[in-house]
Amino acid sequence: KQEVTQIPAALSVPEGENLVLNCSFTDSAIYNLQWFRQDPGKGLTSLLLIQSSQREQTSGRLNASLDKSSGRSTLYIAASQPGDSATYLCARNNWGDQGAQKLVFGQGTRLTINP
Amino acid sequence: DTAVSQTPKYLVTQMGNDKSIKCEQNLGHDTMYWYKQDSKKFLKIMFSYNNKELIINETVPNRFSPKSPDKAHLNLHINSLELGDSAVYFCASSHSGTGGLRGYTFGSGTRLTVV
Repeated sequence: KQEVTQIPAALSVPEGENLVLNCSFTDSAIYNLQWFRQDPGKGLTSLLLIQSSQREQTSGRLNASLDKSSGRSTLYIAASQPGDSATYLCARNNWGDQGAQKLVFGQGTRLTINP
Repeated sequence: DTAVSQTPKYLVTQMGNDKSIKCEQNLGHDTMYWYKQDSKKFLKIMFSYNNKELIINETVPNRFSPKSPDKAHLNLHINSLELGDSAVYFCASSHSGTGGLRGYTFGSGTRLTVV
């Protein structure tokens, strides 16, 4: 069962463009939602964390929104740069069936920014 | 530096061997996790410990045995390694309860290759 879905799976755009990455989740009773970045062969870097009571969070050129009712989150990247090339992962945090919080990931969007 | 640190970073071993991966966090978190990233880059939770107690155990073969000597450390021991165990294993930590509002921090991963 795919609980978190990210679209598109891959995206290639020219440098300077604004872009949107999409994430949808099946359970609206989330605790929070976290966006990560993963560079090839590296670990995960947290980008933005949105609490269930919030609608959006911003950090520099990044803006993440959350719409619990529709089960969607978007990550907006303004004025993209080649250094933004990475895989972007969306993960929802909510109470699992074992009575503890757990983070469930989407399969990621592989982003390539072309100079 | 405050972080989640894993050792070793790379591990190459033969089928049938037993190996361990160690994880330590100095963030003062009380909950630690092991995640597995498979060849398709999908991240899935394996285990979670809160204050040294196992609270999440996803459907993982019992050849995998986590151990938490204290809330700052979570190790993963794998017996009788199989080819299918080849993956990147990530350790993570967070606060439980309302502390989960601050999100998760991940280590840089251990790339396990079974030959």
